[in-house]
Order: sequence, then structure tokens, then C-alpha cells
Amino acid sequence: DTAVSQTPKYLVTQMGNDKSIKCEQNLGHDTMYWYKQDSKKFLKIMFSYNNKELIINETVPNRFSPKSPDKAHLNLHINSLELGDSAVYFCASSPSGLAGNEQFFGPGTRLTVL
Amino acid sequence: AQSVSQHNHHVILSEAASLELGCNYSYGGTVNLFWYVQYPGQHLQLLLKYFSGDPLVKGIKGFEAEFIKSKFSFNLRKPSVQWSDTAEYFCAASAYNNNDMRFGAGTRLTVKP
Repeated sequence: DTAVSQTPKYLVTQMGNDKSIKCEQNLGHDTMYWYKQDSKKFLKIMFSYNNKELIINETVPNRFSPKSPDKAHLNLHINSLELGDSAVYFCASSPSGLAGNEQFFGPGTRLTVL
Repeated sequence: AQSVSQHNHHVILSEAASLELGCNYSYGGTVNLFWYVQYPGQHLQLLLKYFSGDPLVKGIKGFEAEFIKSKFSFNLRKPSVQWSDTAEYFCAASAYNNNDMRFGAGTRLTVKP
């Protein structure tokens, strides 16, 4: 069974559209994350949720809105997509909000904005 | 500010060569350190981690890393690389009781057969 899953794996869309990426983890973890990996492989945290509560909110455009319906899911909604949003988006989870816990990553969603 | 830096952007080695990838961190207080690997087209996987205790940490696939507190370093090593080690390697750190993990920029390793 996949521990951290994301859908879709690939997403190609036009500028200005609104799209969502879904993430689910079946590890029973309390904390989930969204990362953006750009074309140079630089990995940057965007958001972190602990038990459905937002705890990290990096400086990202407010066009990006995470939603956590329960602690096993953390979805990412993006409004008014721009060319610069093209990247690979990784979801991750860890056992608790304390440091020292390994983060488990999903397979990534490659977003291409045309 | 908390940060992680990796010195090498792209390393090219022949099979059987020894590997050392540099990682330095800038954190106050207790820090937890990680190395992740990303094979082409795949997600990040944990190679090894350091929380406390023996500063020489053994990981999977023959990798190891040494935590040197005085140098704020956590370099990754492997005595003999294989073609299958071709991947992107990320060093990461998080402060104790804080789940904010910071990643270095990554080092691309290419191993020539």
C-alpha cells in the first residue's frame, strides 16, 4: 500500500485556471506538508498542518490555499495559475509536530502551466 | 536565519570511486540532520538521519554521514559508488521541537559506468 499518495501525478493546464492537488497518507501521522520543487531541484516548504491546524505558512502567494479535511488529507488548491507555478509539488507527512521525525514523501505532482 | 547549504552542485564520479558530499547547517540549539535521495523521476527517500548519540551515522545502501558539531557539518560519504547511485542528494535539518525542516539546494551525483 502506498504510504503517501498524491493525485494527479501530472497536471497540464492553462494560465488563469484553478486547480487542486490531493494528498492522502495512511501512516496515521499527525503532520502533513506541501513542498514545491523548482526546475533546479530546489525544495521549498510551503505549508505544514498538524492535526488539521495550519502551523507553517511560508511566504507563498495567497493564490495557494491548503485545506485539510482530516489529518490524513492535505489538499492544495491553486487559483489563477501562473507560468511560474510550474514545478513538482510534493506532499509529505511525519509522525508528530516535533522535530527529529522523518518525513515521508509522496510521488509528486508535476504541474505544467502553459 | 536557519539554513542548510550544500557545497557541490553537481558531482561526477566513475564507478568504485569514493564519495563525499558536503553539508553545512546554520541553526541555534539542538539540531536534527537528514540526508534524502531522489532517484530520477522519483520522490525523496530517507538515506539516514542523526538525532543524538554516535556522530557517525550508518544509512541504507552503504551510505554514512558524520556529524561534526564544531564545524556545523553533516557530510555524506560512501566508499565505493555504483552507477545506481546516480541521483539528487538533499541534506536537511530541523531544530528540536520544531517540525520546520529546511533542505539544502541538493547535489546531483552522476556515476559513470
